[in-house]
Amino acid sequence: GQNIDQPTEMTATEGAIVQINCTYQTSGFNGLFWYQQHAGEAPTFLSYNVLDGLEEKGRFSSFLSRSKGYSYLLLKELQMKDSASYLCALHNTDKLIFGTGTRLQVFP
Amino acid sequence: SAVISQKPSRDICQRGTSLTIQCQVDSQVTMMFWYRQQPGQSLTLIATANQGSEATYESGFVIDKFPISRPNLTFSTLTVSNMSPEDSSIYLCSVVGLAGGIYNEQFFGPGTRLTVL
Repeated sequence: GQNIDQPTEMTATEGAIVQINCTYQTSGFNGLFWYQQHAGEAPTFLSYNVLDGLEEKGRFSSFLSRSKGYSYLLLKELQMKDSASYLCALHNTDKLIFGTGTRLQVFP
Repeated sequence: SAVISQKPSRDICQRGTSLTIQCQVDSQVTMMFWYRQQPGQSLTLIATANQGSEATYESGFVIDKFPISRPNLTFSTLTVSNMSPEDSSIYLCSVVGLAGGIYNEQFFGPGTRLTVL
């Protein structure tokens, strides 16, 4: 199976840094995606990790460790507009298997 | 990137009826998928829509309940048959991104919000 777990909810304050974790158990996958989803909207792409290590893209960074079955999304300099759900997803032969999702609330 | 539209955007249906959701892409894509997102939850893959052949369903989803068509490389439909309130959900189609990148990013349609009474 591919149990993909994330914390259900997180809160943070504007300007802070938050790390959203994603742990999984799977026999193999091509890579790991992170998506952002605002309420009532479709998910939008944030990052894709194939190799172990950190991928940085502006205020967002994503990390993958295949040996540890672990990924995280790091959001820096939080803004109110970052309040959304964040979904990790394993990419396996073109299919995406989504994690449980983390709802992040950013407060002033 | 690909532009994806879905029809209808939302609907309220009676128990026992069926609803067909359309997904149109502005360019030819190889892979199309249908997902379900129940209230407050993450996305669950229903099936892969295969052009010219039967869809490939994930565990827990069957063709009789969710028949899928994909007549060409830009269009697909998902039917939710014999609906019950448990089918109330958002249904999203997605496509694999166009060639050229080092990975196959998936783009999502805006979703169809279905409420079954």
